[in-house]
Amino acid sequence: DQQVKQNSPSLSVQEGRISILNCDYTNSMFDYFLWYKKYPAEGPTFLISISSIKDKNEDGRFTVFLNKSAKHLSLHIVPSQPGDSAVYFCAAINTGTASKLTFGTGTRLQVTL
Amino acid sequence: SAVISQKPSRDICQRGTSLTIQCQVDSQVTMMFWYRQQPGQSLTLIATANQGSEATYESGFVIDKFPISRPNLTFSTLTVSNMSPEDSSIYLCSAQQGPPSYEQYFGPGTRLTVT
Repeated sequence: DQQVKQNSPSLSVQEGRISILNCDYTNSMFDYFLWYKKYPAEGPTFLISISSIKDKNEDGRFTVFLNKSAKHLSLHIVPSQPGDSAVYFCAAINTGTASKLTFGTGTRLQVTL
Repeated sequence: SAVISQKPSRDICQRGTSLTIQCQVDSQVTMMFWYRQQPGQSLTLIATANQGSEATYESGFVIDKFPISRPNLTFSTLTVSNMSPEDSSIYLCSAQQGPPSYEQYFGPGTRLTVT
């Protein structure tokens, strides 16, 4: 049972344009969400997070939007840069019961020149 | 944030042997975790490494196969026992300070190939 889903396995975006990565979840008990970036042969790197009490969080070029009613979150990267090319994972947690993260399946972003 | 190192970074092992992976954090952390990432797949939590007590394993993972130690607040080991080719994977440790922070920081991973 995949509780966190990223339905787009890959995405290609031109440099300078906006990248939008999407994530859906099914467990309504999730109340904290995170995005990670992973380069080959490296561990995931934490990017940005959002609590369910917010609907938006911004950090530089990265903005995460949360739509609780739709159980949907998205990561916007503006402007996209070639160094952003990586696999992006969303993750969710139920802070009330455990600290373990449930990860999505990942989206491979390629930023082209 | 925390800086996490893992040893070894990669290894090729024979079927039936065991490998112990070490994870070192540069600061004391409340929680440490072990994950597996099989080729082309997402990260799957193996267990939570508890300091001073037995690890908490997720469904599908057992202590006899993946014994874990956590002797202090900065160090943990994961052993992959009696390996088979199906254990070929990337093994990652992570650390978390604990509430109110829920961000986990990951090590670089150990790429294991079992022949």
